[in-house]
Amino acid sequence: GAVVSQHPSWVICKSGTSVKIECRSLDFQATTMFWYRQFPKQSLMLMATSNEGSKATYEQGVEKDKFLINHASLTLSTLTVTSAHPEDSSFYICSARDYGTSYEQYFGPGTRLTVT
Amino acid sequence: EDQVTQSPEALRLQEGESSSLNCSYTVSGLRGLFWYRQDPGKGPEFLFTLYSAGEEKEKERLKATLTKKESFLHITAPKPEDSATYLCAVPMRHGSSNTGKLIFGQGTTLQVKP
Repeated sequence: GAVVSQHPSWVICKSGTSVKIECRSLDFQATTMFWYRQFPKQSLMLMATSNEGSKATYEQGVEKDKFLINHASLTLSTLTVTSAHPEDSSFYICSARDYGTSYEQYFGPGTRLTVT
Repeated sequence: EDQVTQSPEALRLQEGESSSLNCSYTVSGLRGLFWYRQDPGKGPEFLFTLYSAGEEKEKERLKATLTKKESFLHITAPKPEDSATYLCAVPMRHGSSNTGKLIFGQGTTLQVKP
């Protein structure tokens, strides 16, 4: 149980274009999903918290207009990187908190974004 | 301020050489302590949740324990496939609100040599 999927697993895009990453909880309902960014050999950096049906809450220093988050249903959240630049290249990971349980978060496999 | 510290940063073991990883935490009102395993290029994989001092959880060669100030991840007779980064995390307390955010330690990178 508690499986989270991400799509795509890797993507290469050109500078200036937008990329959408999907995060799905496959076997549970997730009222809250989280988006993280991870640089090589570093720990996870929380970007934003998204609650189903409401606006995402962004961490300090994260550009809301660049990283658009939508949490339209209890099983799907999307992260759109708009007008991507090479410095946006990174490993993006989502997690989902199982509604009704405590604070456990289950993570997706991650998406490797490369902007050329 | 809520804080999580893991040690050591890196650990090299020979296959079969048992050891322990440490996770020290400072948080008011612990709502669980979580252990994850992360392989390179993958998302963290959930291992254990511990809620109260004295609690222990086991999975194969791994055993997690909890005291009021720290948690240990004991690895018994490790194999090369246990090589990974192990992360611990606790839910953040932000006043009286329930954000669900996790505070992560920096991780311990374990390498088990055959």
